[in-house]
Amino acid sequence: GDSVTQTEGQVALSEEDFLTIHCNYSASGYPALFWYVQYPGEGPQFLFRASRDKEKGSSRGFEATYDKGTTSFHLRKASVQESDSAVYYCALGDRGNSGTYQRFGTGTKLQVVP
Amino acid sequence: EAAVTQSPRNKVAVTGGKVTLSCNQTNNHNNMYWYRQDTGHGLRLIHYSYGAGSTEKGDIPDGYKASRPSQENFSLILELATPSQTSVYFCASGDSWGGVGQNTLYFGAGTRLSVL
Repeated sequence: GDSVTQTEGQVALSEEDFLTIHCNYSASGYPALFWYVQYPGEGPQFLFRASRDKEKGSSRGFEATYDKGTTSFHLRKASVQESDSAVYYCALGDRGNSGTYQRFGTGTKLQVVP
Repeated sequence: EAAVTQSPRNKVAVTGGKVTLSCNQTNNHNNMYWYRQDTGHGLRLIHYSYGAGSTEKGDIPDGYKASRPSQENFSLILELATPSQTSVYFCASGDSWGGVGQNTLYFGAGTRLSVL
């Protein structure tokens, strides 16, 4: 079935470093792709989505570009802050026999130190 | 503001017992979901619903049942709880933005379940 793969389980950076979290997907057609962020003690929150090749999604300084050629949707931020420390999930929109749902990657824990 | 409320927030159950996790949403969304979160596995879909009275199996439905008696409420039921079901469970509602698979999910704060 359709799936997403996040290769980094954990990422440790210093403030003002550049962030890249890799997300690759396996699916036919053009599935919608998402990034969610989860802070400690909370549920995941929607960050942004993209649904067409070369479309860029962005929010709060984070961005990702849908790349059909490399089946990727990598999350990037130019300058991270300590407050960005959280778990980041890449997700893919899919459809069952009835209804629609999302499949999530395994998550990447970002720790930013001052 | 969109709201998804889960209860209880924490639950300790005994092996073989029945557990019911409840979820209420005030978003008036048709779609609702149950995921479990485990280290190394991320979020995995257990059951989902596209409207009152409907339930559909997700990727890991074994050992779980779901019930959607109304637009607002979606329950996850463990008839015979096992230690392997110890996890954090998240309920979410989904809007109807865009086409298939494009809707945004709004999550509750989670229920931490321990089965002893």
